[in-house]
Amino acid sequence: AQSVTQPDIHITVSEGASLELRCNYSYGATPYLFWYVQSPGQGLQLLLKYFSGDTLVQGIKGFEAEFKRSQSSFNLRKPSVHWSDAAEYFCAVGARGATNKLIFGTGTLLAVQP
Amino acid sequence: GAVVSQHPSWVICKSGTSVKIECRSLDFQATTMFWYRQFPKQSLMLMATSNEGSKATYEQGVEKDKFLINHASLTLSTLTVTSAHPEDSSFYICSARDLNTGELFFGEGSRLTVL
Repeated sequence: AQSVTQPDIHITVSEGASLELRCNYSYGATPYLFWYVQSPGQGLQLLLKYFSGDTLVQGIKGFEAEFKRSQSSFNLRKPSVHWSDAAEYFCAVGARGATNKLIFGTGTLLAVQP
Repeated sequence: GAVVSQHPSWVICKSGTSVKIECRSLDFQATTMFWYRQFPKQSLMLMATSNEGSKATYEQGVEKDKFLINHASLTLSTLTVTSAHPEDSSFYICSARDLNTGELFFGEGSRLTVL
């Protein structure tokens, strides 16, 4: 069955510290992979996506993610977290096709300490 | 960038009434839109895929008569929660796929509270 696992429900980091949010997926084929961010009471904003090619993907707001096929992972990283990064982060997988039908992980809530 | 607008952003209604939520793609056309439901502190669950000019495709367990979806134009899809009950209270989010680029954009969500 297709699924996305985000093992960390809640993470707290200090401002300026590095960040890594974990994402593991189970999918029958090579999927499209996405990271979205959701601020409280708002919709989702795409941070980055992986379709093919270079497995290290750069996104907006200084985020990057690395696709590791052997580990079925697509972890999100940022070298230095800013207070404005506090939000909920969702990893998602999508089918290689025309539907863009996404399966979302349960999300990781990031808190940033001053 | 492309914008998807949802209206209303929040609504409170009495139990038994129906509520319509609109999802509009403001600067692109979308033959396909998706409706998600998000419970507090949980992930987004796909409810249905809305196809312009044809019937929506519902996910397993989603009542099509309860959640009516209409996609009458390339820029508008509506979700109507019929005879709403408190358990229907949730955050509903739509996404729209750009007809030309295939890229997916999300709306800002609509929070429904049923009293």
